[in-house]
Order: sequence, then structure tokens, then C-alpha cells
Amino acid sequence: DAGITQSPRHKVTETGTPVTLRCHQTENHRYMYWYRQDPGHGLRLIHYSYGVKDTDKGEVSDGYSVSRSKTEDFLLTLESATSSQTSVYFCAISGTDGTGRLGNEQFFGPGTRLTVL
Amino acid sequence: SQKIEQNSEALNIQEGKTATLTCNYTNYSPAYLQWYRQDPGRGPVFLLLIRENEKEKRKERLKVTFDTTLKQSLFHITASQPADSATYLCALEPSGTYKYIFGTGTRLKVLA
Repeated sequence: DAGITQSPRHKVTETGTPVTLRCHQTENHRYMYWYRQDPGHGLRLIHYSYGVKDTDKGEVSDGYSVSRSKTEDFLLTLESATSSQTSVYFCAISGTDGTGRLGNEQFFGPGTRLTVL
Repeated sequence: SQKIEQNSEALNIQEGKTATLTCNYTNYSPAYLQWYRQDPGRGPVFLLLIRENEKEKRKERLKVTFDTTLKQSLFHITASQPADSATYLCALEPSGTYKYIFGTGTRLKVLA
């Protein structure tokens, strides 16, 4: 299995509180991603990173921010959690092909189940 | 608008039969398409990738086809087993981006 961990694995929080989820990799992969997965919507991209301090928005980025200060860590922050952000969050990583472009597969972490009351 | 669609209804088949799952996309021109398997409570796991210049790709009991004219990929599991029961996701990388777009997945149940 690819070396990718997420913490915490489960979290219950209250509306309005800040929450930070951590993704840590030991593969030295360039690309890192945060997704949320909800019934009927599948995996939706929140934010992604294509290098240290290089990040961009995905399709559902409102209410989320990210930071990547070193290759191995990608943090997802909910500045003020809302009930609509109750979801399962997956981090994923991807390496590069021989030309430095995005690699051919993603490796996923175990997920974080977040409940916002 | 850009979409990637999979049959949202669950697919139930008898053990030993071939399961066929469909992935359709619109307004993308991907260089390749991927298939993943996801078990309940776990992250997706990569299975196969097929490139735009490949018509078919095989791996053990798995076979994927890719028709860029129809904008469709088919995923086949031959001699299916109850252990193949899972949700299967297709994904593509829109050209020139650093990200993947996933379909909503199809849940497969293989009945013993």
C-alpha cells in the first residue's frame, strides 16, 4: 500500500468551529488532493496541490482552504464548519510520469469521517 | 457542460457471469481513462488505465474498452465472484490539468 495516512480518522464537531484535517505521505509524490464523498455525488474534488506551496481549487472549494508547506503534508481547513460539510474526506496522491506530468494513478488514504452538528 | 456518468443503479449478477459497467463522458477529450474499486468504508483502489489509442486492455479477469467516438468506456469482470462485490468508479484527467474527475460509481453485487 502507498504510504498515505489521514488524521484524524473520525471527528465530531459543532457548527462554527474551525477544523483541520491532515494528509501525510511518505512516497515523495508531487500531486496531492482532497476529495469529499457524499451519497449520490461520488468523489468531488475540493482542492489540489501540484507542488509545495502550489495549490488550486477544485469543483467544491467554497468554505475550505488548504496549505502545503512541505512535500509530505497537505492540510485541509474548514474555517467555520457547517452541517453541509458533514462528509467523508479522502486524501489522494499521485506521482509523475517520465516527463514530469501527472502520473497514471492515484493512491487514496483511508478517509476521515467528519460530522458537523 | 462537462459530465462523466455511470449507472447509479446497483448491478446484481449471478456468480460466474460477466459483469459489464458503463462510463460515459461529455465535453472532455481525455488522453486516458481509469477504473477504481471502492469497498465500503475504504478509499478507492486503482485497477486499470486505458489510453485513447488503445481499444482494449486486460488484467486477469478484468477487461476495459475505450471508444473515443462514443465517449464511452466499458468495464468487464468475467467469471465474477462474490468477492468482486464493490463500487466501481471511472475517472479521467481533463487535458492540460493536474487533476482527475470521477464518476459517481456503480455498485456491483455478485450473488452466490
